[in-house]
Amino acid sequence: EVQLVESGGGLVQPGGSLRLSCAASEFTFSSHSMNWVRQAPGKGLEWVSYISSGSSSIAYADSVKGRFTISRDNAERSLVLQMNSLRDEDTAVYYCVRGSLFKSYYYMDVWGKGTTVTVSS
Amino acid sequence: AIQMTQSPSSLSASVGDRVTITCRASQDIRNDLGWYQQKPGKAPKLLIYATYSLQSGVPSRFSGSGSGTDFTLTISSLQPEDFATYYCLQDFSYPYTFGQGTKLEIK
Repeated sequence: EVQLVESGGGLVQPGGSLRLSCAASEFTFSSHSMNWVRQAPGKGLEWVSYISSGSSSIAYADSVKGRFTISRDNAERSLVLQMNSLRDEDTAVYYCVRGSLFKSYYYMDVWGKGTTVTVSS
Repeated sequence: AIQMTQSPSSLSASVGDRVTITCRASQDIRNDLGWYQQKPGKAPKLLIYATYSLQSGVPSRFSGSGSGTDFTLTISSLQPEDFATYYCLQDFSYPYTFGQGTKLEIK
């Protein structure tokens, strides 16, 4: 079964750092772009970051630019989100999401179950 | 950033009803629009991509339409398992942006 499993969430103080990981299985990880999407408690979905299959293209939401870094290791089939200078408003469930292409159309078709990040003193 | 305005924010309907949810983009996004369903405590699930392409395994009662700035998700005959929150997402340009969500509740 195609699967994404996030880990690394937890409680961190404002200004602190956290490293989220996502382990991929049962698909050719190196052929797919990847994303992080988050959801604050009781709120809607917010796209956070994108990385292309070969890491040549990376994008961030304005709200995290300069603080978060996305990376991947295709040999290890893993995706990472390094989060620095964390703020209260970064509190959310973070989802690892696979991107796919059909013809020229892009879509996010496989989601992990999410990992919870809580930023609080 | 492209703003996605989704309406209504909530909707009450009955099993068997036909339901329509709309999303308006602040600029032309061609057909780069997807729809996602989320149930409480669960990850979102892709329903439709590229405006009208049904994701594998999604029932045919779900359909999408539109282009440019105006898009629609239609559920032709609501089933009990369809009561959930629905989001649109534009993946035309970064930052990708979601609509605010539509919570579909049982009347």
